[in-house]
Amino acid sequence: EPEVTQTPSHQVTQMGQEVILRCVPISNHLYFYWYRQILGQKVEFLVSFYNNEISEKSEIFDDQFSVERPDGSNFTLKIRSTKLEDSAMYFCASTAGNSPLHFGNGTRLTVT
Amino acid sequence: QQQVKQSPQSLIVQKGGISIINCAYENTAFDYFPWYQQFPGKGPALLIAIRPDVSEKKEGRFTISFNKSAKQFSLHIMDSQPGDSATYFCAARYTGGGNKLTFGTGTQLKVEL
Repeated sequence: EPEVTQTPSHQVTQMGQEVILRCVPISNHLYFYWYRQILGQKVEFLVSFYNNEISEKSEIFDDQFSVERPDGSNFTLKIRSTKLEDSAMYFCASTAGNSPLHFGNGTRLTVT
Repeated sequence: QQQVKQSPQSLIVQKGGISIINCAYENTAFDYFPWYQQFPGKGPALLIAIRPDVSEKKEGRFTISFNKSAKQFSLHIMDSQPGDSATYFCAARYTGGGNKLTFGTGTQLKVEL
Protein backbone atom coordinates (compact mmCIF):
# COMPACT_ATOMS: atom_id res chain seq x y z
CA GLU A 1 0.00 0.00 0.00
CA PRO A 2 1.42 3.42 -0.91
CA GLU A 3 2.38 5.59 2.02
CA VAL A 4 3.46 9.08 2.94
CA THR A 5 7.15 9.15 3.84
CA GLN A 6 8.82 11.76 6.01
CA THR A 7 12.46 12.55 6.64
CA PRO A 8 14.23 12.83 8.95
CA SER A 9 12.48 10.84 11.65
CA HIS A 10 14.16 12.96 14.32
CA GLN A 11 15.70 16.40 13.99
CA VAL A 12 17.53 18.22 16.77
CA THR A 13 18.29 21.88 16.26
CA GLN A 14 19.33 24.89 18.26
CA MET A 15 16.98 27.75 18.94
CA GLY A 16 17.14 30.32 16.15
CA GLN A 17 18.25 27.87 13.50
CA GLU A 18 16.33 27.08 10.33
CA VAL A 19 14.97 23.60 9.77
CA ILE A 20 13.41 21.95 6.76
CA LEU A 21 11.16 18.95 7.21
CA ARG A 22 10.63 16.82 4.16
CA CYS A 23 7.72 14.74 2.95
CA VAL A 24 6.98 12.61 -0.07
CA PRO A 25 3.19 12.39 -0.39
CA ILE A 26 1.43 9.50 -2.10
CA SER A 27 2.09 9.88 -5.81
CA ASN A 28 -1.41 10.50 -7.19
CA HIS A 29 -2.48 12.78 -4.34
CA LEU A 30 -3.13 16.44 -4.98
CA TYR A 31 -3.79 17.92 -1.55
CA PHE A 32 -1.05 18.18 1.04
CA TYR A 33 -1.07 19.08 4.69
CA TRP A 34 1.13 19.64 7.69
CA TYR A 35 -0.09 18.93 11.18
CA ARG A 36 1.79 19.00 14.43
CA GLN A 37 1.43 17.24 17.75
CA ILE A 38 3.07 18.58 20.86
CA LEU A 39 4.01 15.69 23.15
CA GLY A 40 0.93 14.23 24.80
CA GLN A 41 -1.45 16.67 23.15
CA LYS A 42 -3.85 16.58 20.24
CA VAL A 43 -2.96 16.76 16.58
CA GLU A 44 -3.27 20.35 15.29
CA PHE A 45 -3.71 21.57 11.73
CA LEU A 46 -0.98 23.85 10.42
CA VAL A 47 -1.49 24.33 6.69
CA SER A 48 -3.04 22.87 3.57
CA PHE A 49 -1.58 23.15 0.08
CA TYR A 50 -3.16 22.58 -3.31
CA ASN A 51 -2.23 23.53 -6.85
CA ASN A 52 1.06 25.02 -5.69
CA GLU A 53 -0.41 27.40 -3.20
CA ILE A 54 -1.57 27.51 0.39
CA SER A 55 -5.29 26.79 0.68
CA GLU A 56 -5.65 27.45 4.35
CA LYS A 57 -3.43 28.01 7.35
CA SER A 58 -3.95 28.09 11.08
CA GLU A 59 -2.95 30.82 13.50
CA ILE A 60 0.04 28.65 14.45
CA PHE A 61 1.40 28.98 10.90
CA ASP A 62 2.95 32.43 11.23
CA ASP A 63 5.64 34.17 9.18
CA GLN A 64 8.29 31.81 10.55
CA PHE A 65 6.72 28.93 8.66
CA SER A 66 6.64 28.27 4.94
CA VAL A 67 5.79 25.36 2.69
CA GLU A 68 6.99 24.45 -0.73
CA ARG A 69 6.59 21.78 -3.35
CA PRO A 70 9.99 22.14 -5.02
CA ASP A 71 9.47 19.33 -7.51
CA GLY A 72 6.85 16.78 -8.47
CA SER A 73 7.33 14.58 -5.45
CA ASN A 74 8.52 16.48 -2.38
CA PHE A 75 6.58 18.72 -0.01
CA THR A 76 8.57 20.64 2.58
CA LEU A 77 7.91 22.61 5.74
CA LYS A 78 10.48 25.24 6.65
CA ILE A 79 10.74 26.89 10.03
CA ARG A 80 12.92 29.95 9.61
CA SER A 81 14.05 30.62 13.17
CA THR A 82 13.07 27.85 15.53
CA LYS A 83 11.80 28.48 19.03
CA LEU A 84 11.68 26.10 21.99
CA GLU A 85 7.90 25.87 21.62
CA ASP A 86 8.29 24.53 18.07
CA SER A 87 9.39 21.22 19.59
CA ALA A 88 6.76 18.71 18.47
CA MET A 89 6.00 15.86 16.11
CA TYR A 90 5.27 17.21 12.64
CA PHE A 91 3.07 15.08 10.44
CA CYS A 92 2.69 15.41 6.71
CA ALA A 93 -0.54 14.15 5.18
CA SER A 94 -2.00 13.85 1.71
CA THR A 95 -5.22 12.98 -0.03
CA ALA A 96 -6.48 12.57 -3.58
CA GLY A 97 -9.44 14.84 -2.84
CA ASN A 98 -12.64 13.91 -1.09
CA SER A 99 -11.01 10.82 0.39
CA PRO A 100 -9.36 9.86 3.66
CA LEU A 101 -6.26 11.65 4.80
CA HIS A 102 -3.09 9.54 4.86
CA PHE A 103 -0.50 10.55 7.44
CA GLY A 104 3.22 9.92 7.47
CA ASN A 105 5.03 8.65 10.56
CA GLY A 106 6.17 12.12 11.46
CA THR A 107 9.37 14.01 12.20
CA ARG A 108 10.15 14.61 15.84
CA LEU A 109 11.62 18.11 16.07
CA THR A 110 13.55 18.94 19.22
CA VAL A 111 14.64 22.55 19.67
CA THR A 112 17.31 23.07 22.33
CA GLN B 1 -17.14 26.31 17.84
CA GLN B 2 -14.34 24.45 16.13
CA GLN B 3 -13.56 22.27 19.13
CA VAL B 4 -14.11 18.58 19.40
CA LYS B 5 -14.23 17.36 22.99
CA GLN B 6 -13.11 13.81 23.72
CA SER B 7 -13.37 11.63 26.80
CA PRO B 8 -12.01 9.81 28.66
CA GLN B 9 -8.38 10.87 28.54
CA SER B 10 -7.30 7.32 29.34
CA LEU B 11 -9.02 3.98 29.55
CA ILE B 12 -8.05 0.55 30.83
CA VAL B 13 -10.10 -2.40 29.64
CA GLN B 14 -9.75 -6.11 30.21
CA LYS B 15 -9.13 -8.33 27.23
CA GLY B 16 -12.46 -9.26 25.66
CA GLY B 17 -14.21 -6.23 27.10
CA ILE B 18 -15.82 -3.29 25.33
CA SER B 19 -13.93 -0.01 25.01
CA ILE B 20 -16.04 3.10 24.61
CA ILE B 21 -14.69 6.53 23.72
CA ASN B 22 -16.92 9.56 23.40
CA CYS B 23 -16.72 12.79 21.44
CA ALA B 24 -18.87 15.89 21.23
CA TYR B 25 -18.82 18.80 18.81
CA GLU B 26 -20.52 22.17 18.46
CA ASN B 27 -20.11 23.17 14.83
CA THR B 28 -23.17 21.87 12.96
CA ALA B 29 -21.33 22.38 9.67
CA PHE B 30 -19.18 19.32 10.42
CA ASP B 31 -20.23 16.54 8.08
CA TYR B 32 -17.54 13.88 8.35
CA PHE B 33 -16.36 12.24 11.52
CA PRO B 34 -13.34 9.91 11.37
CA TRP B 35 -11.60 8.04 14.13
CA TYR B 36 -7.84 7.65 14.02
CA GLN B 37 -5.65 5.11 15.79
CA GLN B 38 -2.09 6.05 16.68
CA PHE B 39 0.65 3.75 17.91
CA PRO B 40 3.77 5.19 19.57
CA GLY B 41 6.17 6.63 17.01
CA LYS B 42 3.65 6.39 14.20
CA GLY B 43 1.29 8.78 12.47
CA PRO B 44 -2.46 8.62 12.97
CA ALA B 45 -4.10 5.95 10.83
CA LEU B 46 -7.74 6.09 9.78
CA LEU B 47 -9.76 3.45 11.60
CA ILE B 48 -13.37 4.12 10.68
CA ALA B 49 -15.45 7.15 9.69
CA ILE B 50 -19.10 8.17 9.56
CA ARG B 51 -21.25 10.85 7.98
CA PRO B 52 -24.19 12.35 9.86
CA ASP B 53 -26.84 10.80 7.62
CA VAL B 54 -26.42 7.45 9.41
CA SER B 55 -26.62 6.68 13.11
CA GLU B 56 -24.23 3.75 13.20
CA LYS B 57 -21.42 2.25 11.20
CA LYS B 58 -19.73 -1.03 11.94
CA GLU B 59 -16.48 -2.42 10.60
CA GLY B 60 -15.39 -5.65 12.21
CA ARG B 61 -14.98 -5.07 15.95
CA PHE B 62 -15.21 -1.28 15.58
CA THR B 63 -18.51 0.62 15.63
CA ILE B 64 -19.25 4.32 15.49
CA SER B 65 -22.51 5.48 17.01
CA PHE B 66 -23.67 8.94 15.93
CA ASN B 67 -26.29 11.12 17.60
CA LYS B 68 -26.87 14.15 15.40
CA SER B 69 -29.34 15.91 17.68
CA ALA B 70 -26.97 15.63 20.65
CA LYS B 71 -23.93 16.41 18.49
CA GLN B 72 -22.13 13.40 19.90
CA PHE B 73 -20.44 10.37 18.47
CA SER B 74 -18.65 7.46 20.02
CA LEU B 75 -16.32 4.61 19.16
CA HIS B 76 -17.01 1.15 20.50
CA ILE B 77 -14.34 -1.53 20.31
CA MET B 78 -15.87 -4.94 20.91
CA ASP B 79 -13.81 -7.88 22.19
CA SER B 80 -10.90 -5.53 22.93
CA GLN B 81 -7.46 -7.07 22.43
CA PRO B 82 -4.00 -6.12 23.73
CA GLY B 83 -3.09 -5.16 20.16
CA ASP B 84 -5.77 -2.46 20.33
CA SER B 85 -3.70 -0.62 22.94
CA ALA B 86 -3.04 2.74 21.31
CA THR B 87 -4.16 6.35 21.35
CA TYR B 88 -7.47 7.03 19.66
CA PHE B 89 -8.46 10.40 18.25
CA CYS B 90 -11.84 11.45 17.05
CA ALA B 91 -11.93 14.19 14.45
CA ALA B 92 -14.37 16.26 12.44
CA ARG B 93 -14.36 18.00 9.10
CA TYR B 94 -16.79 20.18 7.19
CA THR B 95 -17.51 20.42 3.48
CA GLY B 96 -15.62 23.38 2.11
CA GLY B 97 -12.99 22.89 4.76
CA GLY B 98 -10.95 20.74 2.44
CA ASN B 99 -9.55 17.96 4.51
CA LYS B 100 -8.78 20.20 7.43
CA LEU B 101 -9.47 17.96 10.37
CA THR B 102 -10.20 19.19 13.87
CA PHE B 103 -8.98 16.55 16.29
CA GLY B 104 -10.13 15.64 19.75
CA THR B 105 -7.61 15.49 22.58
CA GLY B 106 -7.07 11.74 22.33
CA THR B 107 -7.75 8.70 24.51
CA GLN B 108 -4.97 6.37 25.59
CA LEU B 109 -6.41 2.89 25.60
CA LYS B 110 -4.70 0.03 27.38
CA VAL B 111 -6.13 -3.46 27.05
CA GLU B 112 -4.91 -5.76 29.80
CA LEU B 113 -4.71 -9.54 29.71
